[in-house]
Amino acid sequence: EDKVVQSPLSLVVHEGDTVTLNCSYEVTNFRSLLWYKQEKKAPTFLFMLTSSGIEKKSGRLSSILDKKELSSILNITATQTGDSAIYLCAVVTSGTYKYIFGTGTRLKVLA
Amino acid sequence: GAVVSQHPSRVICKSGTSVKIECRSLDFQATTMFWYRQFPKQSLMLMATSNEGSKATYEQGVEKDKFLINHASLTLSTLTVTSAHPEDSSFYICSARLDTTIYFGEGSWLTVV
Repeated sequence: EDKVVQSPLSLVVHEGDTVTLNCSYEVTNFRSLLWYKQEKKAPTFLFMLTSSGIEKKSGRLSSILDKKELSSILNITATQTGDSAIYLCAVVTSGTYKYIFGTGTRLKVLA
Repeated sequence: GAVVSQHPSRVICKSGTSVKIECRSLDFQATTMFWYRQFPKQSLMLMATSNEGSKATYEQGVEKDKFLINHASLTLSTLTVTSAHPEDSSFYICSARLDTTIYFGEGSWLTVV
C-alpha cells in the first residue's frame, strides 16, 4: 500500500529559528513530490520535486528530494509567526496522477 | 494561474438529508478531479478520483453509495453526501488536474446536526 509519512507531527519554535520538516514515502510508480502549506483553508503550493539532489528555493523556504532514501526535507530559515501552518507533503504517482498526502506537520512559530 | 471554485464554502444540514458540493474549474478543462476529506488536525484523505464521462474511482473504505460523485462536464464535478450523519461532518476539498499539476478548490465545511 502506498504510504507517505511526515515527521515531526507537530513542532513549536520561536521566531528566527530554523526548522526542517521531513517526508518519507513508499509508493509504486513515483512521479514527483510536492510540498504544500495549509492554513485555514485549502493547501497552497510550495514546491514540486522530481529530480534527486536538486534544491528548490523560494525566499526562506527550500526543499530537496532524495530518491535513494525515498525522502524529502523542507527547510524554513528565520521563521516568522506567519509560517505557522500545517505543511503537507504529497507524492504523485505516474499514470493516474494520484496525489497521496502525508500526515502533515503542524508548525507553530511563537513571537 | 488556474482557478478551482468550490461551493458552498460552508453548509449545515440535518441528519438524514443529502447535501451537494460543487467543484468547478473556472479557466481550464479538467478531465480528472479529485475529492478529499480532512478531519480536524489530520491530513487530506483521498476519497475518489472523478473522471469526466465515466464512473468515479473510489478509494478503499469509501462508500460509493454514500458519497456520490458526478463529473458530467469538463469543468464541473459534484460530490453528494447522501443520508448525512454527524460523523460525516468534515472539511471536503476538491482538486482539478491540468496537465501534471493539480489545483485545489477552497474547500467546503460540512456540519451535520
